Amino acid sequence: EVQLVESGGALKQPGGSLRLSCAASGFTFSIYVMNWVRQAPGKGLEWVSAITGSGSTAYYAESVKGRFTISRDNSKNTLYLQMNSLRADDTAIYYCAREEVLDYWGQGTLVTVSS
Amino acid sequence: DIQLTQSPSTLSASVGDRITITCRANQTINGWLAWYQQQPGKAPKLLIYQASTLESGVPSSFSGSGSGAEFTLTISSLQPDDFATYYCQQYHSYPSTFGQGTKLEIK
Repeated sequence: EVQLVESGGALKQPGGSLRLSCAASGFTFSIYVMNWVRQAPGKGLEWVSAITGSGSTAYYAESVKGRFTISRDNSKNTLYLQMNSLRADDTAIYYCAREEVLDYWGQGTLVTVSS
Repeated sequence: DIQLTQSPSTLSASVGDRITITCRANQTINGWLAWYQQQPGKAPKLLIYQASTLESGVPSSFSGSGSGAEFTLTISSLQPDDFATYYCQQYHSYPSTFGQGTKLEIK
């Protein structure tokens, strides 16, 4: 059974940093593109970032480019999102999801950026 | 970036109704479109990919169609569990993007 479990969400001050993790199981992690998608409170879905199976190529939404870094450790079946220079508008539930067509999702982890 | 526009933003309907939601892209995306359902407080669920391919386990009352830059999601006979918010997503090119969502409400 495919499982994705996010962790690392927290309350942070503007300008702070945070690293999210997504532990994957039930599939061959290293061959799949993985994504981060977020949803601000009461708002729609926003795709944030994706990384190829090997980790060699990453893609970002313009809103996070230069501040967020996606990475993965295929030996640990884990996806990461390093979030720097956090802003209030980064407040959201962050989901990890598998594949370009987002066929499996985690339950999400809440990031709140507030002073 | 490719922009997706869903219509309507809100739709009121009754159990048993047939409904259609439209998703328009600002350029051709060659069928690289997916539809998701999101219930309140839950992660989105994949319904349809490649514009018209039903994900395993999704009821056949759901169908997708379209090509080029215009796509539709149809629910042939609404069930109580279908009242939710629906999103389209293009994965033709990065950055991937979502439509703004369509909230399906009970009339």
